[in-house]
Amino acid sequence: QSVLTQPPSASGTPGQRVTISCSGSSSNIGSSYVCWYQELPGTAPKLLMYRNNQRPSGVPDRFSGSKSGTSASLAISGLRSEDEAHYYCAAWDDSLSGWVFGGGTKLTVL
Amino acid sequence: EVQLVDSGGGLVQPGRSLRLSCAASGFTFDDYAMHWVRQAPGKGLEWVSGITWNSDSIGYADSVKGRFTISRDNDKNSLYLQMNSLRPEDTAFYYCAKGSTVTFRDYFHSWGQGTLVTVSS
Repeated sequence: QSVLTQPPSASGTPGQRVTISCSGSSSNIGSSYVCWYQELPGTAPKLLMYRNNQRPSGVPDRFSGSKSGTSASLAISGLRSEDEAHYYCAAWDDSLSGWVFGGGTKLTVL
Repeated sequence: EVQLVDSGGGLVQPGRSLRLSCAASGFTFDDYAMHWVRQAPGKGLEWVSGITWNSDSIGYADSVKGRFTISRDNDKNSLYLQMNSLRPEDTAFYYCAKGSTVTFRDYFHSWGQGTLVTVSS
């Protein structure tokens, strides 16, 4: 059971906008930045978003992040087939003194 | 370009030990915290351990505390994970990850390709 809660799956058609949620508590999302990782099939995770809504260089602006209270979300607009991947949220947890992850969301592009 | 090359995985019996290594290049190694993150086959990500740039602060997940030891050698640009008293539930891909600052409270910036550890008799 993951400390952060994500829906196990999400889907959309090319061009659509999809949102993936990540729910936590006051000891993690409520008091820390949230980051997001994209895991393409057969590859290591890649940083997609950091400090809630900052995109590393090379990440398209179709990806955006937000945080409110103890929840965060990742939005992908103009969905493309190459976006099909697992997406994980993560945050530092003050109570556990460690990093916690969501269980991951498998995004399918129909 | 940041490169992290994980190695040392393999098949090991329950109760035995294994040492993982991560060779870093493409950045100033001693400017950053480092981490180990694992992923059981078909499962999600789990943070294992983190270490500050100068090793003065170290953290572990409760699931490995007392059994695993993280260390680094800044002269060799290398990160290590000594895993003792291994259990079947430790079976996973182990990824070395570069932090974004000197403290391991900041996000993981880059990841290695992972090394598979299988604990089974």
